[in-house]
Amino acid sequence: DAKTTQPNSMESNEEEPVHLPCNHSTISGTDYIHWYRQLPSQGPEYVIHGLTSNVNNRMASLAIAEDRKSSTLILHRATLRDAAVYYCILNQAGTALIFGKGTTLSVSS
Amino acid sequence: GAGVSQSPRYKVAKRGQDVALRCDPISGHVSLFWYQQALGQGPEFLTYFQNEAQLDKSGLPSDRFFAERPEGSVSTLKIQRTQQEDSAVYLCASSPFSGSFNEQFFGPGTRLTVL
Repeated sequence: DAKTTQPNSMESNEEEPVHLPCNHSTISGTDYIHWYRQLPSQGPEYVIHGLTSNVNNRMASLAIAEDRKSSTLILHRATLRDAAVYYCILNQAGTALIFGKGTTLSVSS
Repeated sequence: GAGVSQSPRYKVAKRGQDVALRCDPISGHVSLFWYQQALGQGPEFLTYFQNEAQLDKSGLPSDRFFAERPEGSVSTLKIQRTQQEDSAVYLCASSPFSGSFNEQFFGPGTRLTVL
């Protein structure tokens, strides 16, 4: 299985943008880049996914490097509710998600 | 609409007891996944169903773990002769299709504590 590398933790202030990096140098051509997050005492929730092009949705933006060996999840204005563990996952269609340890994001007011 | 529900939310078992954990996926979802999450770790895959067929059980840690989805909707994860290392949160996820990308919707999990 392809692996991802993320920082263990990051800190942000409320209403500031947050850039969460992910390295995936062994990504294959059929791997999608997924981001999930897990709030305390909850199951993970889907944030965004992409294959080659940058993606935007109501929650976040995903910037994918041209060589696809890295990506960045962008939260445009962090809120206290965004404090969570963020997982960057490589996944092929119809298969189980392989989680790492993720990045624990702390947001201060 | 209703999301994925799991019951019980908390379960305490004595070592050696059998437990059954239930997952109610979103209605109509074809795919169902079970994950195990130890404290401080990310979820780890256990098993996968497409409708009633168990297509992948490679993540089940031992033959004490058994999962079923007999009618292609509700699923049960059974752990026989529980041991302390089975203590974890057990997460269920469902997704609407198979064979193509789709978002997985997770339930809140069942926290199992084995004494």
